[in-house]
Amino acid sequence: EDQVTQSPEALRLQEGESSSLNCSYTVSGLRGLFWYRQDPGKGPEFLFTLYSAGEEKEKERLKATLTKKESFLHITAPKPEDSATYLCAVQYRNQAGTALIFGKGTTLSVSS
Amino acid sequence: DTEVTQTPKHLVMGMTNKKSLKCEQHMGHRAMYWYKQKAKKPPELMFVYSYEKLSINESVPSRFSPECPNSSLLNLHLHALQPEDSALYLCASSLQEEGNQPQHFGDGTRLSIL
Repeated sequence: EDQVTQSPEALRLQEGESSSLNCSYTVSGLRGLFWYRQDPGKGPEFLFTLYSAGEEKEKERLKATLTKKESFLHITAPKPEDSATYLCAVQYRNQAGTALIFGKGTTLSVSS
Repeated sequence: DTEVTQTPKHLVMGMTNKKSLKCEQHMGHRAMYWYKQKAKKPPELMFVYSYEKLSINESVPSRFSPECPNSSLLNLHLHALQPEDSALYLCASSLQEEGNQPQHFGDGTRLSIL
């Protein structure tokens, strides 16, 4: 069964304490992996797209990497404003064309 | 600010009411989506429109009726909803349905059914 699993479900960090979020997937025919940030009561905000193993993308304190089985979102020296739920979504080929599966998200809390 | 605009931001309705949710994008995207999101859950796909035609209906109850009047607008008509339909309804768009470009989301309509 095609799946996307994010871990941990929740992560509490002190300001400045770097860490990583994981998104593992078991789909075949990967077309793209997307990272989103979602604040409470808001829609998901697009962060990165990764298309092939070995690819890396960076934006401010965030860096996303991709292997054949998983992606990591590395957060360097986080600040309280980085607190949010981070969603991973995987687009892949299926019999109907393409499909998109969301992981359940990792809720990050950064305290000062 | 997002480039996908949804109105209203909040909606409270009774089970016998009829209302509509609206979504607008001006990015030239030809695929538009409706999602339902419950608290602490990921978005759940409801409908996909591609080039203004309904492409995917994820077995959504008929009390939800989508409409795509043109390439920039997407509506979701609501009638006789149930309390369990209370959720955040998100609209998204992407360049094409079959492309590998990301979907861009609006901030949603928070719907409460009394």
